[in-house]
Amino acid sequence: AQTVTQSQPEMSVQEAETVTLSCTYDTSESNYYLFWYKQPPSRQMILVIRQEAYKQQNATENRFSVNFQKAAKSFSLKISDSQLGDTAMYFCAFAGGAGGTSYGKLTFGQGTILTVHP
Amino acid sequence: GAGVSQSPRYKVTKRGQDVALRCDPISGHVSLYWYRQALGQGPEFLTYFNYEAQQDKSGLPNDRFSAERPEGSISTLTIQRTEQRDSAMYRCASSLKGGGTGELFFGEGSRLTVL
Repeated sequence: AQTVTQSQPEMSVQEAETVTLSCTYDTSESNYYLFWYKQPPSRQMILVIRQEAYKQQNATENRFSVNFQKAAKSFSLKISDSQLGDTAMYFCAFAGGAGGTSYGKLTFGQGTILTVHP
Repeated sequence: GAGVSQSPRYKVTKRGQDVALRCDPISGHVSLYWYRQALGQGPEFLTYFNYEAQQDKSGLPNDRFSAERPEGSISTLTIQRTEQRDSAMYRCASSLKGGGTGELFFGEGSRLTVL
């Protein structure tokens, strides 16, 4: 079974600064996806960024980027130029499965509450 | 529809009652997933469908929980004889295809409170 661990229950950052959220995972599978989801106070679940395990290049989406270390099973999220609207709970998630049929079956971490201060 | 729609948004029920939670996925999405999220925790997988076929129900906690998607579109999650420990946010998500990009589109959830 896969496990996803987020060791930082809470983080805070000043507006315009950079913050990194940590995530580690454990799996015996070779093909999988990793995700970061954002859950703002509205309680929606919003996909922030996705990484495919077979791609060595780290994914980036505007101010969001990841540091994917496959051997270390680490998948951290870096938020640059933090904005007040980034305040949310952030979840790291893993999806994998034989034949690709389980790529929507996500295992989530416990979450990190990020607060951006003005 | 434009997004995943869930109803009711809020449900308060008494212990022992049955509840049915509805999910209307994005039009054309083949796969539909149910998750449960306790307050302050990450979502936990319950079950998923490709079209009308239930592919995996390994996350359903016990036999009081069941789900169906009879015509491959709208899905219903039913909890029989509710207990206080069933209180949580129940989220539905859909994706174009389970084996595709893996991206899920989540609904806003149904918050269940069992008194």
